[in-house]
Amino acid sequence: GQNIDQPTEMTATEGAIVQINCTYQTSGFNGLFWYQQHAGEAPTFLSYNVLDGLEEKGRFSSFLSRSKGYSYLLLKELQMKDSASYLCAVNSGYSTLTFGKGTMLLVSP
Amino acid sequence: DTEVTQTPKHLVMGMTNKKSLKCEQHMGHRAMYWYKQKAKKPPELMFVYSYEKLSINESVPSRFSPECPNSSLLNLHLHALQPEDSALYLCASSQSARDYGYTFGSGTRLTVV
Repeated sequence: GQNIDQPTEMTATEGAIVQINCTYQTSGFNGLFWYQQHAGEAPTFLSYNVLDGLEEKGRFSSFLSRSKGYSYLLLKELQMKDSASYLCAVNSGYSTLTFGKGTMLLVSP
Repeated sequence: DTEVTQTPKHLVMGMTNKKSLKCEQHMGHRAMYWYKQKAKKPPELMFVYSYEKLSINESVPSRFSPECPNSSLLNLHLHALQPEDSALYLCASSQSARDYGYTFGSGTRLTVV
C-alpha cells in the first residue's frame, strides 16, 4: 500500500523560515513532488525530487532522502500569500501520483 | 499554451440529471487524469488516459464515465449522482504517464442536490 504522512497544520510568522516534513512508504518510487494549493483552487507545482539531495528554487527548497523515505519543503522569507495547503505527493510507478493529506500553513503578521 | 482548461467552473445538478465536465489542453501531453477532491482532503485519482486509452480506473462507480475523444480533450460524463459526489473535480495532464510535471486545471466545483 501507499502511505504518505505530513503534519496537518503549521503556523509561522511573516519573514520567518518554515520546514514542512513528509515521510512516505510506497510500493515503488519514481519521484516526489510538492504542490501548493490555495483554498478552492487547483494545486500548483512547486518542486520535484527524484535523487537524494536539495533542490533550490527561489524562496522554496525541497530535500529528499530515498533511504529514509523522507522529504521536506523549506520556505524562506515567508509572505502572507504563502498561507495555503502544501501537498506532498509520490509517483509510485506507472502514472499514479499519490497525495498526502496536505499541511495547512498559516502565516501571520 | 501552457494551461489545462476546465469547463464549467461551477455546476449544480440534480440526482436525475446528466451532465458532462470538459477538460482541454494543447501542450501535446499524452496522459490526462481525472482527480476528485473533497474539502480539506487531498486529490484522489479517478481515471488515467494514456495515448487516448483508459489505462487506470480506480474502482470508480459507473455513474462516472470518462471519455477521451482525442489527445487534447478529456470528458467526464455524470449520471445519477449522489449528494456525496459533490466535490472539486480536477483534470491534469502530463507529457506521458511516466512523466512528472502534472499540470492541473482550475477544477469544476460540483454540487449535487
